[in-house]
Amino acid sequence: SQTIHQWPATLVQPVGSPLSLECTVEGTSNPNLYWYRQAAGRGLQLLFYSVGIGQISSEVPQNLSASRPQDRQFILSSKKLLLSDSGFYLCAWQLTGGTEAFFGQGTRLTVV
Amino acid sequence: GENVEQHPSTLSVQEGDSAVIKCTYSDSASNYFPWYKQELGKRPQLIIDIRSNVGEKKDQRIAVTLNKTAKHFSLHITETQPEDSAVYFCAATSPSGTYKYIFGTGTRLKVLA
Repeated sequence: SQTIHQWPATLVQPVGSPLSLECTVEGTSNPNLYWYRQAAGRGLQLLFYSVGIGQISSEVPQNLSASRPQDRQFILSSKKLLLSDSGFYLCAWQLTGGTEAFFGQGTRLTVV
Repeated sequence: GENVEQHPSTLSVQEGDSAVIKCTYSDSASNYFPWYKQELGKRPQLIIDIRSNVGEKKDQRIAVTLNKTAKHFSLHITETQPEDSAVYFCAATSPSGTYKYIFGTGTRLKVLA
C-alpha cells in the first residue's frame, strides 16, 4: 500500500533562517506531488506541484521554492523565512490525474 | 486558470438537520470533483467524489450533485451528527491544468447537539 511521510510535524524558526521540509511517498511510482499552505482558519493554497523528477510548477510568487530530486521525494525550501511564511504546510500525492489526492500529516511552521 | 468558489464559509446546524455546501468552478474542462473533510489539526481526507459523467452520487448520509451546465456542485449531509463538525473543502481538477487540485476556501460546519 502507498504511504506518505512528511516531517517535521512542528517547527519554530526565526525570521531570516532557512527552511527545508521534506515529503516522501512509498509504494508508488511517478506520482503527482503537491505542496499546499493553510493559514490559520483559511483554505488550502496550492504552492507547487510536480508531475515528474525535476519538473516543478509554481502557483504563486513567494519566498519559497520546491525541488524534486527523486521520483518520490518533494522538498519545500526557503533561504530566508518571513513572518508571513507561518502556516500549516501540507504535502500531497496523486497516482494519476483526476483521482484522489492523499495528504501528509502536515507541518505546522511558526516563524518568530 | 481554474478558480473554485465555495459557500458558505461557516455553517451551523442542529443535530439531525441537513447541511448543504455549494461550490462553483470556472474551467469547463474540469472533470473530477472531490470533497475533503479536515478535522482540527488533522490532514484533509476524501469523503466523496464525483466525475463529470455523473450527475449525482450518494454514500450513506453524504451525497454530491453536479451541474455541468451551471458549473457548480454541492455536498449534502443528511441527519447530521456532532462528529460531522469539521472544515469541508471542495476541489476541481482539469486535464487542461495537468489535473492539479484547486480547492475552495472551505466551510466550517458546526453541528449543535
